[in-house]
Amino acid sequence: KQEVTQIPAALSVPEGENLVLNCSFTDSAIYNLQWFRQDPGKGLTSLLLIQSSQREQTSGRLNASLDKSSGRSTLYIAASQPGDSATYLCAASDRGSTLGRLYFGRGTQLTVWP
Amino acid sequence: SAVISQKPSRDICQRGTSLTIQCQVDSQVTMMFWYRQQPGQSLTLIATANQGSEATYESGFVIDKFPISRPNLTFSTLTVSNMSPEDSSIYLCSVDRTGDTDTQYFGPGTRLTVL
Repeated sequence: KQEVTQIPAALSVPEGENLVLNCSFTDSAIYNLQWFRQDPGKGLTSLLLIQSSQREQTSGRLNASLDKSSGRSTLYIAASQPGDSATYLCAASDRGSTLGRLYFGRGTQLTVWP
Repeated sequence: SAVISQKPSRDICQRGTSLTIQCQVDSQVTMMFWYRQQPGQSLTLIATANQGSEATYESGFVIDKFPISRPNLTFSTLTVSNMSPEDSSIYLCSVDRTGDTDTQYFGPGTRLTVL
């Protein structure tokens, strides 16, 4: 069974810092890997999706990389802002017998203070 | 994209009762998923609901405890039956939009507290 781990569990930084969130997974046979943002009462918002054949994806100040061979993904946030404060989840997709089953990490709770 | 709504957004229930959570999508989708997020834990898939067939449950989850309905391509319900405090969690539904993005979209969640 796929297991996803995220480090650190929590991170507190001043505004303007560049930061890296880490995600590791045990089974490299993934279909894709997604990074989500979770805000209280608002569910999950998909930030970036990296297909298994890709190495990275970028959206604005966010950049996510994927290294299947080592079972790792990183989410890079440039010039962090207080509005980035949220819990960030990574999820590995296994299309096996269930289309779209996602295996989630526990998340990194990010606080960006002014 | 897909816009998903859930009802109720939160509830506080007594032990032994049941709660039905509704999930509505703004477009027709084949697959709908129900997840549970216990306090401090990651999201765990409960079951996959495909319209017109029985839901497929993950290991550790059974139909008697979490019956699911999927009457059409835009709606599903999850019932948490005979609740105990251990069922206190956030329950989320999601849909899979295969094709160009393969992105999975999530509803806002239902925060359940069982006393």
